[in-house]
Amino acid sequence: DVKVTQSSRYLVKRTGEKVFLECVQDMDHENMFWYRQDPGLGLRLIYFSYDVKMKEKGDIPEGYSVSREKKERFSLILESASTNQTSMYLCASSFSLRGAGAFFGQGTRLTVV
Amino acid sequence: DQQVKQNSPSLSVQEGRISILNCDYTNSMFDYFLWYKKYPAEGPTFLISISSIKDKNEDGRFTVFLNKSAKHLSLHIVPSQPGDSAVYFCAASALKIIFGKGTRLHILP
Repeated sequence: DVKVTQSSRYLVKRTGEKVFLECVQDMDHENMFWYRQDPGLGLRLIYFSYDVKMKEKGDIPEGYSVSREKKERFSLILESASTNQTSMYLCASSFSLRGAGAFFGQGTRLTVV
Repeated sequence: DQQVKQNSPSLSVQEGRISILNCDYTNSMFDYFLWYKKYPAEGPTFLISISSIKDKNEDGRFTVFLNKSAKHLSLHIVPSQPGDSAVYFCAASALKIIFGKGTRLHILP
């Protein structure tokens, strides 16, 4: 059974903290994505990666960075968490950049207080 | 500027009838379109996709139609079942996947 696993379902962090969200996939996919989902805004692309050590900005990269040191792992980093980064974060992986057959993790609900 | 638009935030359909979810896009560079389904507290799951070289793709109860000239696609679910109640996201891709805001589908008993 294929899987995209996000390390935490729920996180509460303080303003100004550095936050790491981890995502691991077991499908040997080249492409991995980080989205955030907010009510009324749908899923917005933060960053994506098409290969190890390669990354591209999505539509809302400000305040975030990413790391892809190994093919199976894609990390999202909030350098200094702020309350407007409270959201549901979703990781996905796909064999195609076009999203064909993309699999999503269950999401991390991050609250910044 | 929204590139992928789902103009209906919610839709209610009687069980057994056809559900039609609509999606419009603005970027003519999109050449691949997808539909995802999302239950609360779960990640989205891939439902069905269509390439821009086609105008229809079927998978069981789900059919996606693409009208390139109108930059419009729709997802038909027939017959609708209670388990179809979820949020449906339309997505389009060129070099990255752009999602719409979603439509919440309620299947009424």
